[in-house]
Amino acid sequence: DTGVSQDPRHKITKRGQNVTFRCDPISEHNRLYWYRQTLGQGPEFLTYFQNEAQLEKSRLLSDRFSAERPKGSFSTLEIQRTEQGDSAMYLCASSPRRTGDTGELFFGEGSRLTVL
Amino acid sequence: RKEVEQDPGPFNVPEGATVAFNCTYSNSASQSFFWYRQDCRKEPKLLMSVYSSGNEDGRFTAQLNRASQYISLLIRDSKLSDSATYLCVVNIVRGGTSYGKLTFGQGTILTVHP
Repeated sequence: DTGVSQDPRHKITKRGQNVTFRCDPISEHNRLYWYRQTLGQGPEFLTYFQNEAQLEKSRLLSDRFSAERPKGSFSTLEIQRTEQGDSAMYLCASSPRRTGDTGELFFGEGSRLTVL
Repeated sequence: RKEVEQDPGPFNVPEGATVAFNCTYSNSASQSFFWYRQDCRKEPKLLMSVYSSGNEDGRFTAQLNRASQYISLLIRDSKLSDSATYLCVVNIVRGGTSYGKLTFGQGTILTVHP
């Protein structure tokens, strides 16, 4: 399978714990995005990487959230001291060039986080 | 006000019906427009781009009205397999630069029944 892969697919944790999600984009894609989606809502932008550089972060990304893409390939999204409000589907997407050109982001199946 | 607004529905239509979804966006700097489809418990996937002159892809027709900041999607001859959430998406340019970030609407739920 050469699509975007995310791990783990599901994570249940207790409030206050730290969690980390991993995303492996399509290999030739240099742009990587993290989105968050809650029930009944569309995906909300969190952050964006071009190669290893993090070029934009949403105001939604509080200090408890950190994302990295150290070698310009896979990316990790860490949430520290999780809160119940962090419960959501965390979607990773990649694209090969400026999204404005084609509008196509290739999404992974997501990592569902449940904070108890 | 949300940057992209859609009627969440749900729309329940019989097979063969024609159904239309509307979407409005608030930022006039928006440059690119799209419809994505998201099946239940699946990831969003690009359905089609929306061009100023309007465009068609089989049973799907998309239209854009920049003056009214309005986007529409028309589905003709609905199939059971069209049941999904349809997401209106814009690429908003700020400061003259687009990083390729897409802004999604809430989504409109469509259910096509026999």
